[in-house]
Amino acid sequence: AQSVAQPEDQVNVAEGNPLTVKCTYSVSGNPYLFWYVQYPNRGLQFLLKYITGDNLVKGSYGFEAEFNKSQTSFHLKKPSALVSDSALYFCAVRETGNNDMRFGAGTRLTVKP
Amino acid sequence: EAQVTQNPRYLITVTGKKLTVTCSQNMNHEYMSWYRQDPGLGLRQIYYSMNVEVTDKGDVPEGYKVSRKEKRNFPLILESPSPNQTSLYFCASSSDRGRRHNEQFFGPGTRLTVL
Repeated sequence: AQSVAQPEDQVNVAEGNPLTVKCTYSVSGNPYLFWYVQYPNRGLQFLLKYITGDNLVKGSYGFEAEFNKSQTSFHLKKPSALVSDSALYFCAVRETGNNDMRFGAGTRLTVKP
Repeated sequence: EAQVTQNPRYLITVTGKKLTVTCSQNMNHEYMSWYRQDPGLGLRQIYYSMNVEVTDKGDVPEGYKVSRKEKRNFPLILESPSPNQTSLYFCASSSDRGRRHNEQFFGPGTRLTVL
């Protein structure tokens, strides 16, 4: 069965500093991995995904994520955080050949000025 | 504008009173799904549909029903709501066509309170 974990409920960073939001996954086959962001009172918005190929994936708003198969991780990163990046971030996995999707519990990112 | 719409956005009801939350997408997407979002639990999939007349259970289907009679619509039905179904519900859709890696587009959410 596929699953995903986000080990941190909350991440706090100062504006201008790099940020990392962690995600690990468990699948029996090959994964499709996604990051979504949720701003207050809004639905989720797609940020980026890993399908295959290059382990470093670039997405919207300057975010990127690195797929690490040996560590079964897909951490979200940004070199320089903005206050406007403050939001709830969800990692999700869909195993190739599966129809359903699993989301993590979410990580609340707070960027302080 | 490409979008997923849900109605109602907010609903307060009482235990046992049947309700339907509608979901519609205008992107001709094959795949549609319902999730509930609860604090500390993230999003959990309730039901999904690969195409018209094809639906399947997700992680937490108990107490819910769905139907997919048309490609654009995917209503969520609570036949006899209970307080533990108080939650924030999201509908989502994606273009699938046999590939499982397309991103989902989410609706704005429906906040349901069952008293």
